[in-house]
Amino acid sequence: TQLLEQSPQFLSIQEGENLTVYCNSSSVFSSLQWYRQEPGEGPVLLVTVVTGGEVKKLKRLTFQFGDARKDSSLHITAAQPGDTGLYLCAGDPNFGNEKLTFGTGTRLTIIP
Amino acid sequence: DADVTQTPRNRITKTGKRIMLECSQTKGHDRMYWYRQDPGLGLRLIYYSFDVKDINKGEISDGYSVSRQAQAKFSLSLESAIPNQTALYFCATSDPGTMSTDTQYFGPGTRLTVL
Repeated sequence: TQLLEQSPQFLSIQEGENLTVYCNSSSVFSSLQWYRQEPGEGPVLLVTVVTGGEVKKLKRLTFQFGDARKDSSLHITAAQPGDTGLYLCAGDPNFGNEKLTFGTGTRLTIIP
Repeated sequence: DADVTQTPRNRITKTGKRIMLECSQTKGHDRMYWYRQDPGLGLRLIYYSFDVKDINKGEISDGYSVSRQAQAKFSLSLESAIPNQTALYFCATSDPGTMSTDTQYFGPGTRLTVL
C-alpha cells in the first residue's frame, strides 16, 4: 500500500507570513495533485504536477514535484485568511490507470 | 447546478439502523468513489467503481456496502450503523481521459451522526 505523509498536520500562522507544506512517500508516482478543502465543502483541485522537478505557480502558491517523483511541496507566500483550509496531496501511481492515493492532510489556519 | 450531488446533506440516526447515502453526477464520468473524513483528518477510501459493472473495496470497507445503479449513480449503505461511523462522507467522480492524470471532483459531503 502506497502512503503519502503530509507535514505538518496542523499549522497556524499570522497573515503575511510564508509557509511550506510537505508531502512525502517512499513510492514513485506518475503525477501528484494538490487539493484544497474549505469548511463545508468537498476538496477542489489546485494543481497537478507531472514531471520530476517541475515547479508550478498559482498566484502566491508554488508547487514543486521532487526530482524522483516521490515527494512534493506547497509554498505559500504572504499568507492571507482566504488561504485557510485543509490541503491534501494525492499521488497517481500509474498514469490514471489506478486509484489515487490521498495524503494525510495539512490543516492551515491564517490568523488576520 | 452542481455536477456531483449528495443526499442527504445531513443525517442523524440511531445505532443499528440501516441508512443509505446517495450520490449522483452529471459529469459523464465512469469512475466514482466514496470517502470518509473524520474531524481533523484526511480522506479514507471506502469503495470505488471504475465502471457500472466494477466495484472495489477501499481501505475501510468493513461495515459498508455500495451499489452502482447506473453510470451516474453510486450509493453507499450502512447496514447497521454504529457510533464510530459518525463522520463526513464524500462522493467523488473522475475520468482520466487522454490526460493520463485522474482529477477527482467531489460532492459537497454528507454529515452523518450515529447516536
